Order: sequence, then C-alpha cells, then structure tokens
Amino acid sequence: SQQGEEDPQALSIQEGENATMNCSYKTSINNLQWYRQNSGRGLVHLILIRSNEREKHSGRLRVTLDTSKKSSSLLITASRAADTASYFCATDEAGSARQLTFGSGTQLTVLP
Amino acid sequence: KAGVTQTPRYLIKTRGQQVTLSCSPISGHRSVSWYQQTPGQGLQFLFEYFSETQRNKGNFPGRFSGRQFSNSRSEMNVSTLELGDSALYLCASSMGTGINTEAFFGQGTRLTVV
Repeated sequence: SQQGEEDPQALSIQEGENATMNCSYKTSINNLQWYRQNSGRGLVHLILIRSNEREKHSGRLRVTLDTSKKSSSLLITASRAADTASYFCATDEAGSARQLTFGSGTQLTVLP
Repeated sequence: KAGVTQTPRYLIKTRGQQVTLSCSPISGHRSVSWYQQTPGQGLQFLFEYFSETQRNKGNFPGRFSGRQFSNSRSEMNVSTLELGDSALYLCASSMGTGINTEAFFGQGTRLTVV
C-alpha cells in the first residue's frame, strides 16, 4: 500500500517559473527520498532528507521536511522543459532503504 | 561507476507462462529490492535481498519470488503469469546498511502479459 498522497496530482507551469510539490505520509520515518521518472522509465534519485533535517538544497532543488505534520515539499526553481516528468516521494521507515513506500506522484509539465 | 542494470528491458509473455527478470546492482552495493509499478496501484514493494538473504517481503502472492547471488546480482521470478502482472518492474540498489541510505533504481523491465 502507498504511504500517502502527493499534491497536486498534476501541475503545469511555464519555463522559468517555480514548481512546488507536496508529499504527505502516515508513519514515523528515518528519511524521505525524492525521485523523478520520465515517461515510465526508471526512477532517478534526486535527494534524501533525514528525519532530523528540516531543509536541504541540491542545485535548483529545495526540499523541506516537517515531521510533526508528516509532510515534505519539493521546490524546483527556474524550471526548464527538461524538468517535465513525474516526481515521487518515498519514505524509509525501517532504514537502510530496505523497503521504500512511495507516494502517488505528481506529474509536472513545463511548457516552453 | 556503472548504474543499476536491468535485463531485459521489454518482455511479452502469455498467460500461464513464467518469467525471470535480472538486476545487477551498483558495484559494492549488497542490497537489491524490487518494485512493481502499475497505473492503478502505483509503486509497490515486492521484496528485498541483502547478502543473499531475503530481509523484507511485500504483500504479493507466492507466484512472485526472487533470489540473490553471491555477487549481489538478483533475479525475480513470476510464475503462472496473469494479465494483471503486466507492469513496469523496477529494481533498486543500495548499500543496505545504515539508517539513511540512498536507493538507486534501474531503467526497469516492462512486462506485458497477453
């Protein structure tokens, strides 16, 4: 079963704008990982944020984590057409990445 | 460093047949986990192997099985295929130790059951 929901399910923006995606989950976690998937291909690892971290940056990506609200957000700044993809959050409850629980994903479309 | 390699990329099988999928993890990684992705159910965990032992298992019928070899390569087998087994099967590779471990995925095997 899936851990939670991602919001919105679909997002369409213009190139250069920022995109924000949210992820909610249900249980205590060790960390949360964000992935990108292009057209039903493999998942590309974007970033891991630990349960004791509140914010993390990687290039144009900014991830926040609020364990009290059991939610995370992924911000992509200055989006590009190449950012068009599905984005998934995955929670790691047991640690060691032995079993990730995925959200339902957000389909991001960046229009040129 | 080579990434996670899954073979084959595409497969078409007939109902009732069985299929074996292969996953080669990143060099040095000892954990391989398998996921099924379908439009209706999303990404669901199948099982995870670490040092040739199954550590975790998801909620899938016994027709789904796997194994891991001493070189950490893993295979997943599905017997008596059903139409509903059509999906993208993804494997993930990780160190498998430590609380905060990144998991890296392969390109997947697209299985179509007809």
